[in-house]
Amino acid sequence: KQEVTQIPAALSVPEGENLVLNCSFTDSAIYNLQWFRQDPGKGLTSLLLIQSSQREQTSGRLNASLDKSSGRSTLYIAASQPGDSATYLCAVRGPGADGLTFGKGTHLIIQP
Amino acid sequence: KAGVTQTPRYLIKTRGQQVTLSCSPISGHRSVSWYQQTPGQGLQFLFEYFSETQRNKGNFPGRFSGRQFSNSRSEMNVSTLELGDSALYLCASGDPGGEQYFGPGTRLTVT
Repeated sequence: KQEVTQIPAALSVPEGENLVLNCSFTDSAIYNLQWFRQDPGKGLTSLLLIQSSQREQTSGRLNASLDKSSGRSTLYIAASQPGDSATYLCAVRGPGADGLTFGKGTHLIIQP
Repeated sequence: KAGVTQTPRYLIKTRGQQVTLSCSPISGHRSVSWYQQTPGQGLQFLFEYFSETQRNKGNFPGRFSGRQFSNSRSEMNVSTLELGDSALYLCASGDPGGEQYFGPGTRLTVT
């Protein structure tokens, strides 16, 4: 059974810092990995999708990498801003897929 | 292009009642999935529909059911509500490349 772990569970940094969020998964047989952000009480916003054949994806200040063989992904946020404060969720999809398997998230606070 | 819409946004029900939630996917998307989010368990997969057929089902009791219509709109139903069913129910619409787009959710409170 696929398990997804996100470290750290919470992170508070001053504005302007570059930061890295980590995601690990136990079964490397995945189709893709997706990063989301969730604001309090809201739905999920898709940030980046990485297919299993890809190593990284970039969107603006965000860069996500995937190392399928080691079961790891990182989300890099450059020049963090207070508006980046949210919970960041990592999810993987694999064969026989019971939908997406989510980590518990990293709760990020960017201090102005 | 309009995003995923879910109705209603908030619901309060009593134990033993049943509830129906609705989801309209992004135009052109044929895949709809449902998830339950609780503080303790996080996000858990309920089921996935594609072209009116249930493709996958998560580990939930039979009280949870769903369906998809020919216009790709989907409904999920929970019968005999229990206190533990209180949660945020999220619907996701999937594009052909596999990217999932989530709606704002329906907040269900069971009293």
